[in-house]
Amino acid sequence: DAKTTQPNSMESNEEEPVHLPCNHSTISGTDYIHWYRQLPSQGPEYVIHGLTSNVNNRMASLAIAEDRKSSTLILHRATLRDAAVYYCILRDSGRGSTLGRLYFGRGTQLTVWP
Amino acid sequence: GAGVSQSPRYKVTKRGQDVALRCDPISGHVSLYWYRQALGQGPEFLTYFNYEAQQDKSGLPNDRFSAERPEGSISTLTIQRTEQRDSAMYRCASSLQAGTNSPLHFGNGTRLTVT
Repeated sequence: DAKTTQPNSMESNEEEPVHLPCNHSTISGTDYIHWYRQLPSQGPEYVIHGLTSNVNNRMASLAIAEDRKSSTLILHRATLRDAAVYYCILRDSGRGSTLGRLYFGRGTQLTVWP
Repeated sequence: GAGVSQSPRYKVTKRGQDVALRCDPISGHVSLYWYRQALGQGPEFLTYFNYEAQQDKSGLPNDRFSAERPEGSISTLTIQRTEQRDSAMYRCASSLQAGTNSPLHFGNGTRLTVT
């Protein structure tokens, strides 16, 4: 499984933007970049995903480098509720039997200060 | 129901006993996944199904672990002859479609403690 590298932890103040980086230098052409987050005592929650172009949804934005070797999850205005572990995951669309196997790693623990 | 439902929420069992963990996915979801999560770690893949067919069981740690989804809906993860190292949070997820673009929806998990 292609792996990602994320900082162990990051901090932000409430209502400030947060940029969560992810390196994936071994990404293949068929890998999608997915982000999930996990709030305390809950299961992981889907945030956003993309392949090559930048993506926006109501939760966040995903900026993907032109060479696809890195990406950044952007929370435009952090709230206390955004404090969670954020996972950057590569999901292979090219190999059928491995589609379900998401490799979560340890993610980035985001702390949001009031 | 509105989300993925797992039961029981908590299970305490003695070493050597068998346990069965149940997952009820979101209605109509084609794919169902089982993950295991140790404290402070990200979820670890165990196995997944499309409909009733088990597509990938490469993450099951050993032959004491098995899973089934006989009618393409509810799934059961069975651990035989439990050991203390099996203690973890077991999480089930489902997705509407089998493809890469279909997000996983996770349940709240079953906390298994083997004493």
